[in-house]
Amino acid sequence: DIQMTQSPSFLSASVGDRVTINCKASQNINKYLNWYQQKLGEAPKRLIYNTNNLQTGIPSRFSGSGSGTDYTLTISSLQPEDFATYFCLQHNSFPWTFGGGTKLELK
Amino acid sequence: EVQLVETGGGLVQPGKSLKLTCATSGFTFSTAWMHWVRQSPEKRLEWIARIKDKSNNYATDYVESVKGRFTISRDDSKSSVYLQMNSLKEEDTATYYCTTVGPAYWGQGTLVTVSS
Repeated sequence: DIQMTQSPSFLSASVGDRVTINCKASQNINKYLNWYQQKLGEAPKRLIYNTNNLQTGIPSRFSGSGSGTDYTLTISSLQPEDFATYFCLQHNSFPWTFGGGTKLELK
Repeated sequence: EVQLVETGGGLVQPGKSLKLTCATSGFTFSTAWMHWVRQSPEKRLEWIARIKDKSNNYATDYVESVKGRFTISRDDSKSSVYLQMNSLKEEDTATYYCTTVGPAYWGQGTLVTVSS
């Protein structure tokens, strides 16, 4: 199984900050990497698919990059509604596997 | 509007069975590959099963931890996908989501608690 190591697990930031969250796969996942945002009591919401494609309706301050085993989610200027937990998902091969999550908190 | 609604969760004793249902609407269910994903109380996400469409012979895949105990199935006439869970263990306690297309579309989840 492909292991997804997500970092950091916790991130404290302020409104307006630029933040990055990373996921490292244990092998090449060929850019089949999605990013999700989850708020308390809600299902995950897809932000980015296949590394760098923005989901319809998601603000352009969210972006993704990466290749091979290393992937990054960037939020260019944090807004109050962005404080949530973020997960990566590799869907290159079964079983699909998720990162452990990054909880983004207000500093 | 795409909707996925999971039902069937609840409190169940170890070793018992439970069947989850995900009723869908708003997209072409018959050609969609459907998945179940669960989230533990510690908030870890785990993909557990997938079923393909008719043109792919309804092929299924499972994560190792549920193989032989869980069965995913679908009824295209009802636009619904199911998860039959047998021999439940305490570590199966989680919120179970059905999801599809990407997966971009998720239900709201149903909580399964396995405890004596």
